[in-house]
Amino acid sequence: NAGVTQTPKFRVLKTGQSMTLLCAQDMNHEYMYWYRQDPGMGLRLIHYSVGEGTTAKGEVPDGYNVSRLKKQNFLLGLESAAPSQTSVYFCASRTTSTEAFFGQGTRLTVV
Amino acid sequence: QQQVKQSPQSLIVQKGGISIINCAYENTAFDYFPWYQQFPGKGPALLIAIRPDVSEKKEGRFTISFNKSAKQFSLHIMDSQPGDSATYFCAASKQTGANNLFFGTGTRLTIIP
Repeated sequence: NAGVTQTPKFRVLKTGQSMTLLCAQDMNHEYMYWYRQDPGMGLRLIHYSVGEGTTAKGEVPDGYNVSRLKKQNFLLGLESAAPSQTSVYFCASRTTSTEAFFGQGTRLTVV
Repeated sequence: QQQVKQSPQSLIVQKGGISIINCAYENTAFDYFPWYQQFPGKGPALLIAIRPDVSEKKEGRFTISFNKSAKQFSLHIMDSQPGDSATYFCAASKQTGANNLFFGTGTRLTIIP
């Protein structure tokens, strides 16, 4: 049972480049989330999904897009990366009656 | 606007001592208050959680104290051990809807021998 798996684990981008972060969960959870973690800021919600085919904005959605075409996958896209998007990104999933399970994180550096 | 405020930012405790981390929230609709533990290079993992129908929950050396009227809750780690050295996050959410978790800014705890 892998839980929540994030791909890739590390990435360096140049300003203006695009990329997609993949999150996959094998627990059949309805809800999935993308957070970013920055020093002194805690974890801030970027986007979330309450089910396949649905997405919604969180606290800091600007500059990101998401898609949830399959229940088990939640993709986070950066169309034109900026240095302010340098961060550690975490995906999480849960049901209404369970805790949130987090992936191992993706460390993204935009230069 | 920080929905959950956490203090202190960092904490150093001697081995065997009590570690205390405090959080406060504003939204009275929150009804689920978990604490997450995070080791370097890892994702956060649930440590212990409480719902507002009780004022205290204990699991081993870890205790959550909850004060609904003050909108505050705290984590107490008894007999702190070097293996407890990690970053701790409090969080809050509503049980209905998307159950979005709102996190505090984290406390880096260091237990010294």
